[in-house]
Amino acid sequence: DAKTTQPPSMDCAEGRAANLPCNHSTISGNEYVYWYRQIHSQGPQYIIHGLKNNETNEMASLIITEDRKSSTLILPHATLRDTAVYYCIALNDYKLSFGAGTTVTVRA
Amino acid sequence: DGGITQSPKYLFRKEGQNVTLSCEQNLNHDAMYWYRQDPGQGLRLIYYSQIVNDFQKGDIAEGYSVSREKKESFPLTVTSAQKNPTAFYLCASSPGTGFPGGYTFGSGTRLTVV
Repeated sequence: DAKTTQPPSMDCAEGRAANLPCNHSTISGNEYVYWYRQIHSQGPQYIIHGLKNNETNEMASLIITEDRKSSTLILPHATLRDTAVYYCIALNDYKLSFGAGTTVTVRA
Repeated sequence: DGGITQSPKYLFRKEGQNVTLSCEQNLNHDAMYWYRQDPGQGLRLIYYSQIVNDFQKGDIAEGYSVSREKKESFPLTVTSAQKNPTAFYLCASSPGTGFPGGYTFGSGTRLTVV
């Protein structure tokens, strides 16, 4: 699986959009980009995934660059409940590998 | 509701004892996984199983054992051979190989060796 790089932490103001970057420069053509988040002391929660096209669901949007070397997770209107560790994962089989992720703190 | 149930939520073990963590799913998923998480770190894969009666070692399998006798169940035994067993243990399931639909995680078991 391709290695992903994320900033260790970031802050966001409540009600504003949170843009979480992820670099995956060694990603191969058949590797999906997945995003999960983990609220303290809970199991990770699936957010969204994509291969080439941008994706949107009720939780977030995923923007993947044309060369697929990086992506951005967008939380359109961050709330205090979005405070969590966010994991970006590049996956081409069924085994998820989680790095340290980005700790996102949403401030009132 | 479908999901994954891990029990117990908190578990205390004396040093040198084996302990078994339970994981049950009613999602009809073929694949199941066990992860370990230490404070401030990501998740590391211990064992995984794609089908009943078959399982493979993950990245940190030493000191752990599993069984998969039923599709719904994937218990993890932390043996006395595991040097640092105190951690947060997470079980997950997925529909199976090649399915990009994502994984479902349980709420975890926090194991403390006393």
